[in-house]
Amino acid sequence: NAGVTQTPKFQVLKTGQSMTLQCAQDMNHNSMYWYRQDPGMGLRLIYYSASEGTTDKGEVPNGYNVSRLNKREFSLRLESAAPSQTSVYFCASSRGETINEQYFGPGTRLTVT
Amino acid sequence: AQSVTQLDSQVPVFEEAPVELRCNYSSSVSVYLFWYVQYPNQGLQLLLKYLSGSTLVKGINGFEAEFNKSQTSFHLRKPSVHISDTAEYFCAVMKGNTPLVFGKGTRLSVIA
Repeated sequence: NAGVTQTPKFQVLKTGQSMTLQCAQDMNHNSMYWYRQDPGMGLRLIYYSASEGTTDKGEVPNGYNVSRLNKREFSLRLESAAPSQTSVYFCASSRGETINEQYFGPGTRLTVT
Repeated sequence: AQSVTQLDSQVPVFEEAPVELRCNYSSSVSVYLFWYVQYPNQGLQLLLKYLSGSTLVKGINGFEAEFNKSQTSFHLRKPSVHISDTAEYFCAVMKGNTPLVFGKGTRLSVIA
């Protein structure tokens, strides 16, 4: 099993450009999450999908959109990138039952100039 | 809303010395507590979790944590650290089936 995979690993964008970060899991998990990690801020939840067909905002959703394409895939889209969105983005998944651990992907390092 | 406070942003410690990484949470109801570790340029992986039962929880790589409800704390300990333990450690809290809320992290540096 590959676990949680993310593409791309690195990306540089100019202000105003758009892009989609891809995430896929092969563990048959119901729930998926997108976080951003900034120095000294820990991980902050952007959006999550408790189950296929549902999405909910997290702590910092502004400037982002998500799509739960199917049970395996959960993408994060930046419509008009801003320098404040320079960050490392992590996707995670979990079984989605009452209490269970989240499994994380390796991350995407995004720089917006 | 849940919140997690990791009291130290950086902890330097000599190899083979003991270490404690502190974590406090705010909640008046039952919560579930986790510690994750992030090695350089990697994602997070679970060290240990407290769901219920014994307040002393043992995890991977010789780490353990103690849940203290009266002090709302969940401190992480290891009796003897190795160079390979150098990493960032995150405490996280979950209430019910809501997403995890993470602390800001503690960077552990083990000095040879």
